[in-house]
Amino acid sequence: AQRVTQPEKLLSVFKGAPVELKCNYSYSGSPELFWYVQYSRQRLQLLLRHISRESIKGFTADLNKGETSFHLKKPFAQEEDSAMYYCALNGGSQGNLIFGKGTKLSVKP
Amino acid sequence: NAGVTQTPKFRVLKTGQSMTLLCAQDMNHEYMYWYRQDPGMGLRLIHYSVGEGTTAKGEVPDGYNVSRLKKQNFLLGLESAAPSQTSVYFCASSYSIHRVGTEAFFGQGTRLTVV
Repeated sequence: AQRVTQPEKLLSVFKGAPVELKCNYSYSGSPELFWYVQYSRQRLQLLLRHISRESIKGFTADLNKGETSFHLKKPFAQEEDSAMYYCALNGGSQGNLIFGKGTKLSVKP
Repeated sequence: NAGVTQTPKFRVLKTGQSMTLLCAQDMNHEYMYWYRQDPGMGLRLIHYSVGEGTTAKGEVPDGYNVSRLKKQNFLLGLESAAPSQTSVYFCASSYSIHRVGTEAFFGQGTRLTVV
């Protein structure tokens, strides 16, 4: 079954430290994966998508098909990165998006 | 563009009352979704629709009903509200999976409290 797993509910780092938010997926076909971010009391918004191979706000994510992972990384965390991060898979049985449970990132000063 | 708009933004209900949450999108998206967001539970899919006139159950559909009479609107109904339905509700819309790069656009959320 299609599934997205984010093993960490909470990740706490200090400002300037590297950060990696983990995402693993289960999908039989060729996956399309995304990272969404939700800042405090705001709507969810797309952060980046794997097909674009882009870096947004210093974040990157590489699709590793061998490990079925799409981890989100940033070399130097900033306080404004504190937010809820959701990994999502474009692969539901009827084409719907499947979200992980989310990881709350807290960046301490 | 307005994107995805939810009404109302806040609501307090008494147990047993009913209400309807409205989601409207102006992007001509085929797919629309209703999620609830609870602390420690992340984003859970309630119901979704893959096109006008169609609806399907998500992960946590019990206690909710939906309708998609018009392509741009997706209604979420609570017939008899319970305290367990206290949550923040998000609507989202997207193109279908067949469009590469599909992303979901979210509404601003509805904070519902059932007392």
